[in-house]
Amino acid sequence: ETGVTQTPRHLVMGMTNKKSLKCEQHLGHNAMYWYKQSAKKPLELMFVYSLEERVENNSVPSRFSPECPNSSHLFLHLHTLQPEDSALYLCASSQDVDNEQFFGPGTRLTVL
Amino acid sequence: LAKTTQPISMDSYEGQEVNITCSHNNIATNDYITWYQQFPSQGPRFIIQGYKTKVTNEVASLFIPADRKSSTLSLPRVSLSDTAVYYCLVGPYSGTYKYIFGTGTRLKVLA
Repeated sequence: ETGVTQTPRHLVMGMTNKKSLKCEQHLGHNAMYWYKQSAKKPLELMFVYSLEERVENNSVPSRFSPECPNSSHLFLHLHTLQPEDSALYLCASSQDVDNEQFFGPGTRLTVL
Repeated sequence: LAKTTQPISMDSYEGQEVNITCSHNNIATNDYITWYQQFPSQGPRFIIQGYKTKVTNEVASLFIPADRKSSTLSLPRVSLSDTAVYYCLVGPYSGTYKYIFGTGTRLKVLA
């Protein structure tokens, strides 16, 4: 247990569906992150939030839309995804952006 | 951006010391060097972080030369459960808040 939870753990969706991934951290951290990990590829940083403000957006397609309503919760809203978006989506948090990151277990997403 | 380069894979035997070196030639002055461990279908787990010289904790040591263009993660007396992918990471001040994970080093510990 890292103090970072993600739901759902597995998700299968069609290309026309809209779904959301949820991340919650119970560590009192100020920074939260979304990463994408495709098969046999390194982790790709998607979004960084610091004190609920987005401070980094790594040229992610608009079909991925993050939301950080408060410092404990982070969402990733998904719509009209493509099969190549199938991957493990990992959430992480850290005390601040230059501290060690604590990762959640990830959501295994399959787009049909 | 501070890109990292690591060996793709390494094999070792139980009880041996394992050293994994990472190159980061473009590391910025304010960047830290952090190592993570990842098991299949799990999120990475923090191992150790350093800025310069040597850092040691209960699981590993991190050696950083004066020029900081490389770093070496040292795992003493590895066991089968240390089989995982190890990532070297530099950041976050190379540009903006960018953390660049490399391809990682797949360590296989053999009995």
